[in-house]
Amino acid sequence: EAGVTQSPTHLIKTRGQQVTLRCSPISGHTSVYWYQQALGLGLQFLLWYDEGEERNRGNFPPRFSGRQFPNYSSELNVNALELEDSALYLCASSPKGSGANVLTFGAGSRLTVL
Amino acid sequence: AQSVTQPDIHITVSEGASLELRCNYSYGATPYLFWYVQSPGQGLQLLLKYFSGDTLVQGIKGFEAEFKRSQSSFNLRKPSVHWSDAAEYFCAVGAPSGGSYIPTFGRGTSLIVHP
Repeated sequence: EAGVTQSPTHLIKTRGQQVTLRCSPISGHTSVYWYQQALGLGLQFLLWYDEGEERNRGNFPPRFSGRQFPNYSSELNVNALELEDSALYLCASSPKGSGANVLTFGAGSRLTVL
Repeated sequence: AQSVTQPDIHITVSEGASLELRCNYSYGATPYLFWYVQSPGQGLQLLLKYFSGDTLVQGIKGFEAEFKRSQSSFNLRKPSVHWSDAAEYFCAVGAPSGGSYIPTFGRGTSLIVHP
């Protein structure tokens, strides 16, 4: 069974640019979560999508956005990049309706903003 | 809102020694608790979880954790550490939010294993 896959694995952008990160969940999982892992800050919750709808978002500005497609894959978009956006962006998926959801993580997309 | 504290940023142990990583949480009710491990360049892998029942939880790779309600703690233990256990360890607490339990993570503890 394929795990959670993310692309690209690494990318470098400059301030002010925009970036799109992609995530494919485990087959059968309908929920996708996005986390930002900046150096020394642990994982910060960004967004949760389930069945195509945004269900919850963390304390991030509106320039962080995303969507979930009918096949449950997801994109994370970050506009007007700032230096502090440099981080590892982790996607995770879980089955629908499992309540206490156990998240399965991808390997992440490492974004460097210069 | 829930929160998680991992008081140790780094822990250094010798191979074969025992290990305990500390985790304290803040939440008004009984939370769902998790420990994840992240090897360099990898995503997070679930080691174990506590939802209810027996407060001593067994996980993969020989790890266990004990939920102590009175201390709001969920410490991770291993009796004998292997060099391959060197990694970043994250404790997480899940509390209900919008119909799901979105985990809140601690800042992590980096485990260094000396030969």
